[in-house]
Amino acid sequence: GEDVEQSLFLSVREGDSSVINCTYTDSSSTYLYWYKQEPGAGLQLLTYIFSNMDMKQDQRLTVLLNKKDKHLSLRIADTQTGDSAIYFCAEKEKTGANNLFFGTGTRLTVIP
Amino acid sequence: DAMVIQNPRYQVTQFGKPVTLSCSQTLNHNVMYWYQQKSSQAPKLLFHYYDKDFNNEADTPDNFQSRRPNTSFCFLDIRSPGLGDAAMYLCATSRGDLDSGEQYFGPGTRLTVT
Repeated sequence: GEDVEQSLFLSVREGDSSVINCTYTDSSSTYLYWYKQEPGAGLQLLTYIFSNMDMKQDQRLTVLLNKKDKHLSLRIADTQTGDSAIYFCAEKEKTGANNLFFGTGTRLTVIP
Repeated sequence: DAMVIQNPRYQVTQFGKPVTLSCSQTLNHNVMYWYQQKSSQAPKLLFHYYDKDFNNEADTPDNFQSRRPNTSFCFLDIRSPGLGDAAMYLCATSRGDLDSGEQYFGPGTRLTVT
């Protein structure tokens, strides 16, 4: 099956930029997503990128995709304490229905 | 606001006692999913409905069943819960006609098995 890997933890100071990384193995992935999960809550869709793009920006969020290296990153500018959460990357396979494969999640801690 | 609603948010059941978790949506999406998420793990897809068509994941235990009586509602039935079934259960929806296929999640139901 598909493998989606993320580092488990990241700590940053409030006001700094955060960069959360993700690697995947399925070269036929069509879309890649970033979700945020706060404690005890469901997953909130933050943004997604089509596989033929290499960058997408949405306010404080910048997604970079290196398709050759199968590497996806999420940069959060001016990180705030409210950004503390677990961030999951996910990929959608080319064939099949709408199945998403999630990474292991990165717990972001923002230090005031 | 259009949304995905899950009830209850917290559910306690006894070992072996059947339990049903509910999901409803006002997004009018034709695809609905059930995920199981254990502590510090990624969500794991159990099954999904594409319209009325049920799609089971190969490794989903037979103990887990689902019903979708109409577009808006989907239920997860656990026939004989074991201690290992304690988890957060997440419902999600998407539009099957969109290539992007982004999924929208409910707040989840945390299941405790005693």
